[in-house]
Amino acid sequence: SQQGEEDPQALSIQEGENATMNCSYKTSINNLQWYRQNSGRGLVHLILIRSNEREKHSGRLRVTLDTSKKSSSLLITASRAADTASYFCATDVRGSYIPTFGRGTSLIVHP
Amino acid sequence: ETGVTQTPRHLVMGMTNKKSLKCEQHLGHNAMYWYKQSAKKPLELMFVYSLEERVENNSVPSRFSPECPNSSHLFLHLHTLQPEDSALYLCASSQDLLAGGRYEQFFGPGTRLTVL
Repeated sequence: SQQGEEDPQALSIQEGENATMNCSYKTSINNLQWYRQNSGRGLVHLILIRSNEREKHSGRLRVTLDTSKKSSSLLITASRAADTASYFCATDVRGSYIPTFGRGTSLIVHP
Repeated sequence: ETGVTQTPRHLVMGMTNKKSLKCEQHLGHNAMYWYKQSAKKPLELMFVYSLEERVENNSVPSRFSPECPNSSHLFLHLHTLQPEDSALYLCASSQDLLAGGRYEQFFGPGTRLTVL
């Protein structure tokens, strides 16, 4: 069964706006990762947050993790057209270190 | 060349053909993965290799046959595929098996497979 589920499925914003994507999961995790995928390409790792962390930043990216709600959010601030891509969360369930991916959020940033 | 490379980038094959997908990583990693990505579906893990030994086989049909001759190379042999097997096939690697979830996976650009 699928572990992580991203929400919304699609998001369309204007350049300069912030984009927020959410990920919910079902069972306890070791870590949660966010990846980006440009159309027809491989996935690129963005950020990893461990189960004992609540927030992490990387450039314009901010990730939060709420283990009590089994959810995470990815915030992209001051979005750019180049941020247009699909974004995936990946979780590794306790007892396994192999990450499981969701369906992703498709983000379109209009110039 | 650096990172994870995959060949071919595009492949069109008939249902009776036999073909192979190739993945090569230049990162010195010990774990390699095959994923299938179909439209509107989650990324599906197919196979995992650690130090050239298969450690995961996610109920994949036998028409897909993986091979890992060494820690840098991973193949996916295809035989009598079905049209529903058309998808983007992604290869990934990580430092080791534990690192896939604890650090990050590095993905190749994928092979776009179309089965006629």
